[in-house]
Amino acid sequence: QKEVEQDPGPLSVPEGAIVSLNCTYSNSAFQYFMWYRQYSRKGPELLMYTYSSGNKEDGRFTAQVDKSSKYISLFIRDSQPSDSATYLCAMTWTGGFKTIFGAGTRLFVKA
Amino acid sequence: DGGITQSPKYLFRKEGQNVTLSCEQNLNHDAMYWYRQDPGQGLRLIYYSQIVNDFQKGDIAEGYSVSREKKESFPLTVTSAQKNPTAFYLCASSAGTLNTEAFFGQGTRLTVV
Repeated sequence: QKEVEQDPGPLSVPEGAIVSLNCTYSNSAFQYFMWYRQYSRKGPELLMYTYSSGNKEDGRFTAQVDKSSKYISLFIRDSQPSDSATYLCAMTWTGGFKTIFGAGTRLFVKA
Repeated sequence: DGGITQSPKYLFRKEGQNVTLSCEQNLNHDAMYWYRQDPGQGLRLIYYSQIVNDFQKGDIAEGYSVSREKKESFPLTVTSAQKNPTAFYLCASSAGTLNTEAFFGQGTRLTVV
């Protein structure tokens, strides 16, 4: 079993839809949870990170962490064609120098 | 502009050759990392360095080597011992010991011909 599981998709939605991207994990030591966006043939860029359980909002993006279920989500409101990319979840722990990445979910937003 | 520069963008290697991928950062970050990305898999850590003249193996270090002689530079050599080197290689850096915000370069796509 992988430490971090992420559905690779692809996920195709119409413009304006609410998108839900998810990851599950097995290591209860993870405390920091990140979401990266990666455009085709580019390096990933950090969207946001959260510490422990709870929600965090940044513009159209909301990250949720449920540590009891070992489940994290990224919601994108009013999705735009420019949101079409691969979204990678990632996680690490206090004192941990290593970050564990999910395989990424490919998202297509159709105009 | 501050950032991480990887070169070349595309690299072709013949069987049995060693090749070196360049990674330079001007963010004044202490920590630097090399990842390998294959289709359908997450980023896998090859090597990381927390400070100049020091580096540690990641999960898939076999067939790779690195050096960290300068804070700004962390080159990766893919040796002939790496049996399946065709992949997308990403270099990253972060400011502190807690790697919650890594800045990535644009990647090098290595193909064995």
